[in-house]
Amino acid sequence: EPEVTQTPSHQVTQMGQEVILRCVPISNHLYFYWYRQILGQKVEFLVSFYNNEISEKSEIFDDQFSVERPDGSNFTLKIRSTKLEDSAMYFCASSVTIYEQYFGPGTRLTVT
Amino acid sequence: AQKVTQAQTEISVVEKEDVTLDCVYETRDTTYYLFWYKQPPSGELVFLIRRNSFDEQNEISGRYSWNFQKSTSSFNFTITASQVVDSAVYFCALNSNQAGTALIFGKGTTLSVSS
Repeated sequence: EPEVTQTPSHQVTQMGQEVILRCVPISNHLYFYWYRQILGQKVEFLVSFYNNEISEKSEIFDDQFSVERPDGSNFTLKIRSTKLEDSAMYFCASSVTIYEQYFGPGTRLTVT
Repeated sequence: AQKVTQAQTEISVVEKEDVTLDCVYETRDTTYYLFWYKQPPSGELVFLIRRNSFDEQNEISGRYSWNFQKSTSSFNFTITASQVVDSAVYFCALNSNQAGTALIFGKGTTLSVSS
């Protein structure tokens, strides 16, 4: 069964460093998303991406964040200058339509 | 405003007990979708069910069943004869035109099933 994959599973970085989280969505899906979950809290929407551009973004998704689909398979989330409060689990998701989003296993980002 | 409320923070049951997880949603849209996701201790989010606002039929899938009631804006989830492997955090989520492409999640209910 096709699934969304994410790498790395765990990333540790120092405050102020740039990080890139990578995702490979399900191959025939058209919509791509990033969500984050601070430890013990609910899952929050960051951004959606369709037709090679951002469809929507939340207030959390400020200028420090960017997304890219550099080739036909990868979908990345970049955080330019990480802060302690960026520590969270980051989930990538993809879908054929905007409904029934399938999530990857997540990347745990720890900012020290 | 779009909102999902899962009032039960934690539930503990013994194996074979039935358990119901509550979900109440708010939206002004007439067309919307409701979802349940499971997050086991390993951390991934597993899609369980999607229900649209025009389909109020209850659904049963094995030991899982869902009760959607528009009159009370609720979409409750019942696990029959719970098992230890059901231990997880369960999230209810909403999507509607106002929310756009975003899934709006509740805070989750942690279910612990002991043997």
